[in-house]
Amino acid sequence: GAVVSQHPSRVICKSGTSVKIECRSLDFQATTMFWYRQFPKQSLMLMATSNEGSKATYEQGVEKDKFLINHASLTLSTLTVTSAHPEDSSFYICSLPGGLAIQTQYFGPGTRLLVL
Amino acid sequence: AQTVTQSQPEMSVQEAETVTLSCTYDTSENNYYLFWYKQPPSRQMILVIRQEAYKQQNATENRFSVNFQKAAKSFSLKISDSQLGDTAMYFCAFMKPSFGNEKLTFGTGTRLTIIP
Repeated sequence: GAVVSQHPSRVICKSGTSVKIECRSLDFQATTMFWYRQFPKQSLMLMATSNEGSKATYEQGVEKDKFLINHASLTLSTLTVTSAHPEDSSFYICSLPGGLAIQTQYFGPGTRLLVL
Repeated sequence: AQTVTQSQPEMSVQEAETVTLSCTYDTSENNYYLFWYKQPPSRQMILVIRQEAYKQQNATENRFSVNFQKAAKSFSLKISDSQLGDTAMYFCAFMKPSFGNEKLTFGTGTRLTIIP
């Protein structure tokens, strides 16, 4: 399967600052990537679909201006949490689709964000 | 819209015993995929097993097998000869086939603890 990395693995920031999280596909070109959010002891909730060369598609209830997504290349998508607040503290996970023949998703290791 | 329900928030079983995790889903689709993902304490999402809805035969992967009942919309996971490394959160997930945009809908998860 595809190898997916995320950077940083953990970040602590002050309230009001912006934080950028990178998701990289190390061996797979991906025109689409997914961003999930997971609160403690809860399930994964899809935030948005990142599309290479076009705007991201956000799920209902997710603030586009709050969570900026840029799919800069076929191997890199970034999620920027703007003006972070303590309620944005969460675990953020990206994934890649496996493609038509595989029909699954490959997940990154996740990024733990703590906003003080 | 699809929904996935896992009615067992937590389960525990003695090492070497067999345990079954339940999952039900609701969809109007006829063709789809079902998954069980494992999330150990590292929080890396790991694919355990996958079932294609058009296949009547239940999927198996070593100690892991499923009982797929399409008419009942039930998809349970059986873990045989459970091991300490099986301790994790287990998520049932639904996917509608797509090309490059395979969104996953997750259940709320079951926390499984294997007792030495």
